[in-house]
Amino acid sequence: GNSVTQMEGPVTLSEEAFLTINCTYTATGYPSLFWYVQYPGEGLQLLLKATKADDKGSNKGFEATYRKETTSFHLEKGSVQVSDSAVYFCALSDLSDKLIFGTGTRLQVFP
Amino acid sequence: GAVVSQHPSWVICKSGTSVKIECRSLDFQATTMFWYRQFPKQSLMLMATSNEGSKATYEQGVEKDKFLINHASLTLSTLTVTSAHPEDSSFYICSAITSGRAINEQYFGPGTRLTVT
Repeated sequence: GNSVTQMEGPVTLSEEAFLTINCTYTATGYPSLFWYVQYPGEGLQLLLKATKADDKGSNKGFEATYRKETTSFHLEKGSVQVSDSAVYFCALSDLSDKLIFGTGTRLQVFP
Repeated sequence: GAVVSQHPSWVICKSGTSVKIECRSLDFQATTMFWYRQFPKQSLMLMATSNEGSKATYEQGVEKDKFLINHASLTLSTLTVTSAHPEDSSFYICSAITSGRAINEQYFGPGTRLTVT
């Protein structure tokens, strides 16, 4: 079946460091891909999305490109801030119109 | 933005008892609500989908008699874990969506941590 695999955390970075969180997927057809973020004590929020191959989703300095050839959707940010500390979930929506999530990656940014 | 709340945020109950978790959409009408479960270091797994006024649709492997879902109004859905056992200990998350919205436009609650002793 369809699935999402993302790197285990926690990812620990100093402020202004470059961030990459890897995400790969397995799916039939052409899923839409998403990154969600969960700040402490809050619900998951959609961070960015891409609906077809080579699309780049971006928001709040974060970017991810839909790579069909490598079935990947890695999340990147050029310069992280302490306020980016959160749990990040990669997800896809398949033909059944349901969201399938990865395990989440905790990011900790220190000043 | 739209807000979804859950109550309680955490609960501890004894084995064999039942516990109810509430999910509310605070400023919009939720025609559909979803219930997820997340075990430590695992993905959020969809348990069931409920449409207001209808019976919930459960995912394969989820016992509908154990996890009772009620969605009686456009702002409230409840999940009742009946005869809870330690293996039911988990993080339960609800989300809500308005009719006509894309699946990624769900609004998520902050989750409820259930511990069964």
